[in-house]
Amino acid sequence: EAQVTQNPRYLITVTGKKLTVTCSQNMNHEYMSWYRQDPGLGLRQIYYSMNVEVTDKGDVPEGYKVSRKEKRNFPLILESPSPNQTSLYFCASSPLLAGFMATQYFGPGTRLTVL
Amino acid sequence: AQTVTQSQPEMSVQEAETVTLSCTYDTSESDYYLFWYKQPPSRQMILVIRQEAYKQQNATENRFSVNFQKAAKSFSLKISDSQLGDAAMYFCAYRGNNNDMRFGAGTRLTVKP
Repeated sequence: EAQVTQNPRYLITVTGKKLTVTCSQNMNHEYMSWYRQDPGLGLRQIYYSMNVEVTDKGDVPEGYKVSRKEKRNFPLILESPSPNQTSLYFCASSPLLAGFMATQYFGPGTRLTVL
Repeated sequence: AQTVTQSQPEMSVQEAETVTLSCTYDTSESDYYLFWYKQPPSRQMILVIRQEAYKQQNATENRFSVNFQKAAKSFSLKISDSQLGDAAMYFCAYRGNNNDMRFGAGTRLTVKP
């Protein structure tokens, strides 16, 4: 089954404790992206990647890191989480058509709480 | 930077009726994609419909259609014959030339039986 998977689905942690949220897709998509969703703000893009070893900042990259060492995986790293990073996080992937992303397949989301 | 505005935080519609959700955006780019996503209570993000800016014809997917007004930078979603399963948050989104994405704040649609 074609899908985007995220782990964990729920996470409660404490300020400053490094964590990684994994994202994996089995559709051989070039494009992958991370978003955070907060009430009243919609989804905001954190980072995106056009291919292996290529990453770009979205609108809210501060406090986050990503890596794209393999085409299928795009982990999101919070090296020192803070309470303002409490949010619902989505990973998404997409094929590129003539270099452009034309649609996205979203993972199920990760609910992160930072105490 | 491009921005996407959804001016209706909440909308309601009677089952079987038609409802239109509004979306405006601001950009200086000439070629881009616009999307409408649905998010039901399960939180899953589901693509409803998409529109390429260079295409003048409005996109249609079954009961869902858009009114794309490029000069006015407007991209509204019309849902015909509304069903109870249409109840959800709806997000308008913009994909720019750098493949960056921006979403509106969302419109919560309630469908009354």
